[in-house]
Amino acid sequence: KQEVTQIPAALSVPEGENLVLNCSFTDSAIYNLQWFRQDPGKGLTSLLLIQSSQREQTSGRLNASLDKSSGRSTLYIAASQPGDSATYLCAVLDSNYQLIWGAGTKLIIKP
Amino acid sequence: GAGVSQSPSNKVTEKGKDVELRCDPISGHTALYWYRQSLGQGLEFLIYFQGNSAPDKSGLPSDRFSAERTGGSVSTLTIQRTQQEDSAVYLCASSPGQVQETQYFGPGTRLLVL
Repeated sequence: KQEVTQIPAALSVPEGENLVLNCSFTDSAIYNLQWFRQDPGKGLTSLLLIQSSQREQTSGRLNASLDKSSGRSTLYIAASQPGDSATYLCAVLDSNYQLIWGAGTKLIIKP
Repeated sequence: GAGVSQSPSNKVTEKGKDVELRCDPISGHTALYWYRQSLGQGLEFLIYFQGNSAPDKSGLPSDRFSAERTGGSVSTLTIQRTQQEDSAVYLCASSPGQVQETQYFGPGTRLLVL
């Protein structure tokens, strides 16, 4: 059974710092991995999607990497801003075409 | 509208009552998904539709839960005889065609069963 774990559960850093969020999964048989952002009352926003054949994806200050064989992904946020404060969720699309989710990392960027 | 919409945004009901949750996907999106997020827990897959058919219903937690989609567009998630453990945020998402594509999420319906 696929399980997704995110570390840390919460993170608070000063504005301007670069930071890394971690996601690990137990079964490497995935179609893709996605990083989402969850803001209260606003639902989920997809940030980056990495297909299983890809190693990384970049969007602006965000860079996500995928090492499928080791079951790990990282989300790198450069030059963090207070507006980056949110819960970041990692999800893998498993062999049954179901999205399996991590519990999220709650990120607070202090001005 | 430009995004996925859900209604109602909040629903408070009494134990034992039936509730219907609605999802309007992005126009033209053929795939539609339902998830729920219970307090303090991660997101849980419920069901997905490809057009009007649901190839995978394995995530529905009990036979009190059902979902339908008509006209390849709007979907309704129905919970019969609600229980307190049904209290959660129910999220709907849609994607253009293939399951492997990015899913776009609605704001969710917050359900509270008293």
